[in-house]
Amino acid sequence: GAGVSQSPRYKVAKRGQDVALRCDPISGHVSLFWYQQALGQGPEFLTYFQNEAQLDKSGLPSDRFFAERPEGSVSTLKIQRTQQEDSAVYLCASSSAGLGDTQYFGPGTRLTVL
Amino acid sequence: AQSVTQPDIHITVSEGASLELRCNYSYGATPYLFWYVQSPGQGLQLLLKYFSGDTLVQGIKGFEAEFKRSQSSFNLRKPSVHWSDAAEYFCAVGEEKLTFGTGTRLTIIP
Repeated sequence: GAGVSQSPRYKVAKRGQDVALRCDPISGHVSLFWYQQALGQGPEFLTYFQNEAQLDKSGLPSDRFFAERPEGSVSTLKIQRTQQEDSAVYLCASSSAGLGDTQYFGPGTRLTVL
Repeated sequence: AQSVTQPDIHITVSEGASLELRCNYSYGATPYLFWYVQSPGQGLQLLLKYFSGDTLVQGIKGFEAEFKRSQSSFNLRKPSVHWSDAAEYFCAVGEEKLTFGTGTRLTIIP
């Protein structure tokens, strides 16, 4: 079927606004990952779900970042009170399960905070 | 802690020439290693991955990589590049959460 999709593809927010970024993983994929990619850098891990359980959130940069996957499928990354340093591309990836399984990435959401 | 170093920020090669992109990693156990490619406006696409077995791994688009445990390296190679190979290349290590290098930007000149 379709690959990983993300929406919106572009988001401009004023500093202090809250934003919500959506990820639709590949159907049937158990694991879902969020990464943050700053300009000119490699992606950096934010958080990881297995089904609806958030197993690792060690990469979330502050308590303004929150992710959920309530039904074990679609996931939302929420950023409260956005700051300029939050400007980046947010990538979502999914995998079928298991250690070292290929992670399939979505096109990303480019967030610009003014 | 796991880490990846890609020492070359930018490489320029002529179309038809051979290519080698370097990757060094630090990992506490037998690593899962990956090479991804990212074209402008596109998501990351997996080129190849290694966990065990043959240390020379074949991937898509004619790419291959060789795992050398003694050197903690996983260099990506292609014998003859095409203009369409121009992109950003990322090496990554990890079992679940991936740690990426900072990437190597590949430019192809005619």
